Amino acid sequence: AQTVTQSQPEMSVQEAETVTLSCTYDTSESDYYLFWYKQPPSRQMILVIRQEAYKQQNATENRFSVNFQKAAKSFSLKISDSQLGDAAMYFCAYRRSRFGEKLTFGTGTRLTIIP
Amino acid sequence: DTAVSQTPKYLVTQMGNDKSIKCEQNLGHDTMYWYKQDSKKFLKIMFSYNNKELIINETVPNRFSPKSPDKAHLNLHINSLELGDSAVYFCASSQDRGWPGELFFGEGSRLTVL
Repeated sequence: AQTVTQSQPEMSVQEAETVTLSCTYDTSESDYYLFWYKQPPSRQMILVIRQEAYKQQNATENRFSVNFQKAAKSFSLKISDSQLGDAAMYFCAYRRSRFGEKLTFGTGTRLTIIP
Repeated sequence: DTAVSQTPKYLVTQMGNDKSIKCEQNLGHDTMYWYKQDSKKFLKIMFSYNNKELIINETVPNRFSPKSPDKAHLNLHINSLELGDSAVYFCASSQDRGWPGELFFGEGSRLTVL
C-alpha cells in the first residue's frame, strides 16, 4: 500500500523568509502524481503545486517550488518570501497514474508565519 | 460558479439520527470521491464513484451509504449517527485519467454529533 509521510507536524517561519516542508512516500509504481495541498482555516483544500513522476524537472508555481527526488522518494515543498496568507495546514499527497485512483494524503504540516 | 459544491456546510445532530450530505460538480469529471477529515486533520478516502459506479469502498461502517444518481452528483447518507462520526466530510472530483490528475475539493461539511 502507498504511504505518505510528513515528519514535521509543525513549522514556523519569519515573514519574507524561506521555509521547506518535507514529504516522503512509499510506492512500487513508476508512474504517479505528487501534490501539495494547502488548507487554511477556512478548511478549503487548495492545490499548491503538482508534479508528474516521469518529469525530471522540478515544478514551480510563483513562490512555491518542489525538490522531487524520485530515487529517494522525496517530495519537499519550498516556500520563498513567506507571506501571512501562507499560514495553513500543508498536505503532501500521492496518486497512482491509473483510472479512478484515490489521493493518499500525509498527516500534514501546520505552518505558522511570524510577522 | 463553484466547481464542487456541498450542502449543508454544517450539521449538528443527535446520536442515532440519520443525515445526508449532497455534492455536485460542474467540471464534467467522471470520478467523484468522499473523504473524511478527523479531528487530527487526517484525510482518509471513504468512497469513489466513476460514472455512477462504485469503484472504491474503503473500510467504512455500512451505516454510510453513498449514492450517485448521475456522474455530476454524489451523495452520502449516514444512518444511526455515532459520536465518532463527528468530522469534516469532503467531496471531490477528478478527470478519469491523465494529467493533471489532481482532485478538486468542495468546501467540506462539518458534522457534529451530540
